[in-house]
Amino acid sequence: DQQVKQNSPSLSVQEGRISILNCDYTNSMFDYFLWYKKYPAEGPTFLISISSIKDKNEDGRFTVFLNKSAKHLSLHIVPSQPGDSAVYFCAASEGLNRDDKIIFGKGTRLHILP
Amino acid sequence: NAGVTQTPKFRVLKTGQSMTLLCAQDMNHEYMYWYRQDPGMGLRLIHYSVGEGTTAKGEVPDGYNVSRLKKQNFLLGLESAAPSQTSVYFCASSPNRGPNQPQHFGDGTRLSIL
Repeated sequence: DQQVKQNSPSLSVQEGRISILNCDYTNSMFDYFLWYKKYPAEGPTFLISISSIKDKNEDGRFTVFLNKSAKHLSLHIVPSQPGDSAVYFCAASEGLNRDDKIIFGKGTRLHILP
Repeated sequence: NAGVTQTPKFRVLKTGQSMTLLCAQDMNHEYMYWYRQDPGMGLRLIHYSVGEGTTAKGEVPDGYNVSRLKKQNFLLGLESAAPSQTSVYFCASSPNRGPNQPQHFGDGTRLSIL
């Protein structure tokens, strides 16, 4: 049973517009969430994270929002650029006192259209 | 900076053959991980290590063995390859314990079992 769900396999967004990638989780014990970005033929790279004690974390063009009651998080990219075209993985962990396992979603492929 | 290096990048095996995938990191990281990624699936943890000489099972450990004889190296072995092990394998490392220590990934090994 998937604990981290990314229900949109792909998303197309016009360059300059906002990209919103969504992620849902089922395990209420998750208390740390991460987004990774992956280009073809490369490994994933860390993008941004958020602790469950926050509801928002921002880093430049990237903002992650966490809604604990809905068990939902989203990644906003503003403005979207061609280099943002990649697969984005949402991931979650039960935190510092656990065995450090991170559970990944299946990924969402983002296409930035010119 | 090399970061995390995986060898080989590609390999084709016959069912029943054995092989070892090598992961090397030059960042002096304590933690190392092996994941597999299958089409339409997220990354799934096979085995991980919290330090030299230690290993632990992840989500999908069956059919694989690992060793961490040196801090900088983490080896993944397939004793008797099966077609179900056809996948892209990613190695990752992180400096310390905790999900807030983002994992650094290699570029992957694409393995096909015929």
